[in-house]
Amino acid sequence: GAVVSQHPSRVICKSGTSVKIECRSLDFQATTMFWYRQFPKQSLMLMATSNEGSKATYEQGVEKDKFLINHASLTLSTLTVTSAHPEDSSFYICSARDVGGRGGNYGYTFGSGTRLTVV
Amino acid sequence: GENVEQHPSTLSVQEGDSAVIKCTYSDSASNYFPWYKQELGKGPQLIIDIRSNVGEKKDQRIAVTLNKTAKHFSLHITETQPEDSAVYFCAASRPDTGNQFYFGTGTSLTVIP
Repeated sequence: GAVVSQHPSRVICKSGTSVKIECRSLDFQATTMFWYRQFPKQSLMLMATSNEGSKATYEQGVEKDKFLINHASLTLSTLTVTSAHPEDSSFYICSARDVGGRGGNYGYTFGSGTRLTVV
Repeated sequence: GENVEQHPSTLSVQEGDSAVIKCTYSDSASNYFPWYKQELGKGPQLIIDIRSNVGEKKDQRIAVTLNKTAKHFSLHITETQPEDSAVYFCAASRPDTGNQFYFGTGTSLTVIP
């Protein structure tokens, strides 16, 4: 089945630094990738939708200058948290959609998530 | 936009009993309803899904029912096992339009051995 690899799984960074999270579709091409944020014991909240070769669409309230998204190829999207602060500490999860939409879940597959801790 | 509500937020059952989690949605245009299981520190894993042209779907111990008129759908887990303990999320979407998934607030299921 479709596999989405997300790295790193955990990262600790100092306040003020930037962190890059990668989301790769390993065995399919993904025209669309989604980035979610999940706080402890809460649901997944969509941050942005990225389409290969175009600018990402951000949800209301999400700072595009702080959460930089790049979807440069059909198999890779990156989320960069710039000038991270403790309040950015969260679980970030990506989801990628198979171009062909094959398989269950309409081709959407989730990554394993990245636990970001800003100290 | 779509609004998905999920109940209960926590659920404890004895091993072997059944567990039922319910969700409601607001957008009648939503036509795809997946259920995810999320274990601690991991991403969501699809366990079962249902499309709007079907009223019920079953996969071994897991089943999902959909009532389009009432705009609600439910997850049923029978013969629960300790490994079923996790957080479960429902979602609603119109994936044919490339739209996002709208998630419920999650249910923490604990199966007591």
